[in-house]
This record gives sequence, structure tokens and C-alpha cells, in this order.
Amino acid sequence: GNSVTQMEGPVTLSEEAFLTINCTYTATGYPSLFWYVQYPGEGLQLLLKATKADDKGSNKGFEATYRKETTSFHLEKGSVQVSDSAVYFCALSAYNTDKLIFGTGTRLQVFP
Amino acid sequence: DGGITQSPKYLFRKEGQNVTLSCEQNLNHDAMYWYRQDPGQGLRLIYYSQIVNDFQKGDIAEGYSVSREKKESFPLTVTSAQKNPTAFYLCASSTSAYSNQPQHFGDGTRLSIL
Repeated sequence: GNSVTQMEGPVTLSEEAFLTINCTYTATGYPSLFWYVQYPGEGLQLLLKATKADDKGSNKGFEATYRKETTSFHLEKGSVQVSDSAVYFCALSAYNTDKLIFGTGTRLQVFP
Repeated sequence: DGGITQSPKYLFRKEGQNVTLSCEQNLNHDAMYWYRQDPGQGLRLIYYSQIVNDFQKGDIAEGYSVSREKKESFPLTVTSAQKNPTAFYLCASSTSAYSNQPQHFGDGTRLSIL
């Protein structure tokens, strides 16, 4: 079946460090892939998306590239800020299905 | 601005009581969803609706009920049969269930037991 696997958290970084949060997926066909961010006490916000192989989604300095050969969609940011501290969810929408499949989330903590 | 409004933000339930969480959207989306999130956990799908007057069970529907009488509204009732209702509840919507489009989320309702 369809599934998403994210790296375990928390990820703890100093401000201005490089961030990578790994996400791999299993799906039939060509899914759409998403990263969501959840700040404390809030709902999820769409951070970026990619709908086909080799697409790169980007927003607010975050990037992720849809890699079909490695079934991955890793989230990266060159220089994190304290305000990026949140939980990040990877998700997929498989072709001809009616639900999003979420990973378990990765908590990012950035210290000054 | 278009969006999803969940109310109340905080809700308390007494033993044996049913409570209803409100979710309203003005995005003209066909599909709506309810998720449960426990502390430090991911999202689990409770119910979803692809169109008005129709809905399907998700992964953890027991102890919950929904209705979809209007396109913009998808209320969730947490019944007394749900023995562990304390959680953060999130409502979401998307243009249509099969569109591969992202879901848009409300700000959530935190439910606690008195």
C-alpha cells in the first residue's frame, strides 16, 4: 500500500545551520508529494509541493526535489532560523485515491 | 479571506456527554476531512466527505459521527462511546478528493475531559 516514512525527531540545530529532513515514500503510479509545517498549537500549513518526477518545490527558503529513482522528497533549508522551529510533515496523494497519506512528523528545534 | 474556521478553539467534555466540533470553509471545496492528533503523534483520519450528503469512515471512526448537509460545513460529534477523546482535532478541505491537490487545514480544536 501507499506509505510515507520520515526521519525520527527531534532535529536540533543552531541558528544558520543547514537542515535536511528525510522523507521516502511507497506508492503506485505517480503521486503528488507535499511538505506541511505545524507551529505549536496551530493547524498544518502547506509549505511546498511537487507533482511529478524531478519537480522542485520551494517556499520560504525551503526546498524539496521529487526523486522517483530513490522514491524520496527530502526537505532542505540552507540556513535555519529560530522561527523555523515546528513539526514538519511529509505527505503524498497517490493517483486515483481520495486521501492524503502523512508521515509521522519530524520536530525541528532551532536554538540561537 | 478564504479559509477554514474551526470552533471552539478549546472544548471540555464531561463523562457521558456528546460534544460537537464545528468546521466551516468558504473555499468552495468539495472534499472535507477530520483528523485526530495526539501529543507528539501524527495525524489519523476519522471521517471524510467527498461531496454533500455523503461521507466515509477513516481509520479511527469508532466513537465519532459526522454529517455533511451543506457544502461548507462538516461538523464532527464526539460521542460518549469514544472513551479516550482527549486530543487535538483538525479539519481540512480540498478541491476534490481525487484531485491530487493539497488539503487546507483549520487551526484545530483541543478537546479535554473534565
